[in-house]
Amino acid sequence: EDKVVQSPLSLVVHEGDTVTLNCSYEVTNFRSLLWYKQEKKAPTFLFMLTSSGIEKKSGRLSSILDKKELFSILNITATQTGDSAIYLCAVRPNSGYALNFGKGTSLLVTP
Amino acid sequence: GAGVSQSPSNKVTEKGKDVELRCDPISGHTALYWYRQRLGQGLEFLIYFQGNSAPDKSGLPSDRFSAERTGESVSTLTIQRTQQEDSAVYLCASSTAGNYGYTFGSGTRLTVV
Repeated sequence: EDKVVQSPLSLVVHEGDTVTLNCSYEVTNFRSLLWYKQEKKAPTFLFMLTSSGIEKKSGRLSSILDKKELFSILNITATQTGDSAIYLCAVRPNSGYALNFGKGTSLLVTP
Repeated sequence: GAGVSQSPSNKVTEKGKDVELRCDPISGHTALYWYRQRLGQGLEFLIYFQGNSAPDKSGLPSDRFSAERTGESVSTLTIQRTQQEDSAVYLCASSTAGNYGYTFGSGTRLTVV
């Protein structure tokens, strides 16, 4: 059975800290891995990763995929209170259209 | 529209009643997805529509769940004879074909009492 496991489940940091969120997966016929940020109810798309070792970057956020070790990390540098959210990792297999989501990491950035 | 619109935003219903949730996707998005998110859990895939193709219903948890979509427009998710375990946030998303960075709606929070 396909699995996506995120760690830690929750994290509290101070503004300015750097955080690393982890996502490991066991998926048959992997195609791509996606990161979403969920504030309140609607997840918003952050990154899609398909190739190992190529960092995707957007402002203070960056992510990289390791297809050999089957994991991805999401880094947030110089965290701000507005980064407080649940960060979701999802994996898409080659067959079908459904994304397999992890349970998310709840990040709280305190002033 | 500018984004994916879902209604109602919140719904409280009595156990055993039927409910209908609505999703209005972004204009021009041919793909539409329904996911369910229980408290503290990840998103569970329910159903996928792509244009006029037969939908992928493989994620629907029981025959009490059904969904329809007319062409590339509005979709409705119907839950019959609701149970307490149906309580969750139901999220709809849409995208252009094959694009997995899709846009989610704000969801419907369903509470079955």
